[in-house]
Parts: sequence; C-alpha cells; structure tokens
Amino acid sequence: EDQVTQSPEALRLQEGESSSLNCSYTVSGLRGLFWYRQDPGKGPEFLFTLYSAGEEKEKERLKATLTKKESFLHITAPKPEDSATYLCAGSGGYQKVTFGTGTKLQVIP
Amino acid sequence: SQTIHQWPATLVQPVGSPLSLECTVEGTSNPNLYWYRQAAGRGLQLLFYSVGIGQISSEVPQNLSASRPQDRQFILSSKKLLLSDSGFYLCARQGGPNEKLFFGSGTQLSVL
Repeated sequence: EDQVTQSPEALRLQEGESSSLNCSYTVSGLRGLFWYRQDPGKGPEFLFTLYSAGEEKEKERLKATLTKKESFLHITAPKPEDSATYLCAGSGGYQKVTFGTGTKLQVIP
Repeated sequence: SQTIHQWPATLVQPVGSPLSLECTVEGTSNPNLYWYRQAAGRGLQLLFYSVGIGQISSEVPQNLSASRPQDRQFILSSKKLLLSDSGFYLCARQGGPNEKLFFGSGTQLSVL
C-alpha cells in the first residue's frame, strides 16, 4: 500500500526564519511527487512536480527537492502570506495519487 | 482550460438522508477523475478514482459510492448519510498518470 508521511504536523516560524518541511514516501512505481498549498476552505493549489531523485524546483521563496525516499520543501525567509497547509502527494503505477496529512505552517510577523 | 465545476459549496444534511455531489470538468478528454474527503484538520483521504466512463476504483469501504456516466462527469452518492460522512469533499482531475491534479473548490458537508 502506498504511503506518504509528512512532518512536522505544524510549524510556527518568525518572518524571515527559514526552514524545511519533510515528506517521506513509499509509493510503488513512483511516477511523480507533488507539492500543493492549501488555504482554509479551499482546494489545494499546485506548486511543484518532481519526477526523479536529484531533481529540484524553485518558485519564489520555495524550493522542492527529491531523493529516492524523501522530498523536502525548503522555505527561505518566509512571509506571513506563506502561512498555509502544505501537502505532499505521490502518483504511483496504479494511476492514483496518495496524499500526506500535510504540514500547517504559520509565519508570524 | 482545466476548470472543475463542483457544487454545492456548502451542504447541511440530516443523518439518514441521501447525498449526491456532482463534478464536471473541462479540458482534455478521458481525464482521470478523483473524489477526496478531508476531515477537519486532517489530510486528503482518497475515496474513489476513475480512469474512464463506468470505471470506478474504491479505496475505502464505506456507505459512499461513485459513478462516471459521462467522460467529464463524476458523481459521489450515498443512500443514507452517517455523522462520520461530514467533511470537505474535493473533486480533482488528472490529464495523465504523471500529471498534477487540478482541484475543484470543494463542498463542505455537515451531517447533523
């Protein structure tokens, strides 16, 4: 059974304090590893897709990386508007996408 | 366009009542379609996914069912709702096995 585990469950940062979110995965025949941002009461918004170990993607203050067992979302000098829940998901060989439980990030001014 | 139409946005239903949530998508034909549920403060739980008309895979045994009567229509149903069915229901589409999911705006269901 495919599994995606995220840590920590919640993270509180001061504005400008960089940190990383972790996503460990066991997905049979991984085809893609996805990162999403979700604001309260809304559907998840796509951030990145990573396909192979060693790949990196960047967007503004966010950088996603991928190894054979984990993915990291690095947040550099976060701002209050980065506060959200960040979700990691894996797409495997059976054409289904499995999500982790997310990391709720709060950035304090 | 990858627009996903999901309605209603909010729904309050009594225990034991039926449910029908509809999702229609725009864009490329024969998309993979998904129903997820998110309980308060929890992650996304995959309920059903479909790779084509009439093809439904169920991930969690429960009193919910799904149907795909048309290529771009995905319906989530229940004959009798339980309190535990409360949650945020999201429909999503995927163009292909390696592609990202696009999500609808969700339906907040409260079963009282």
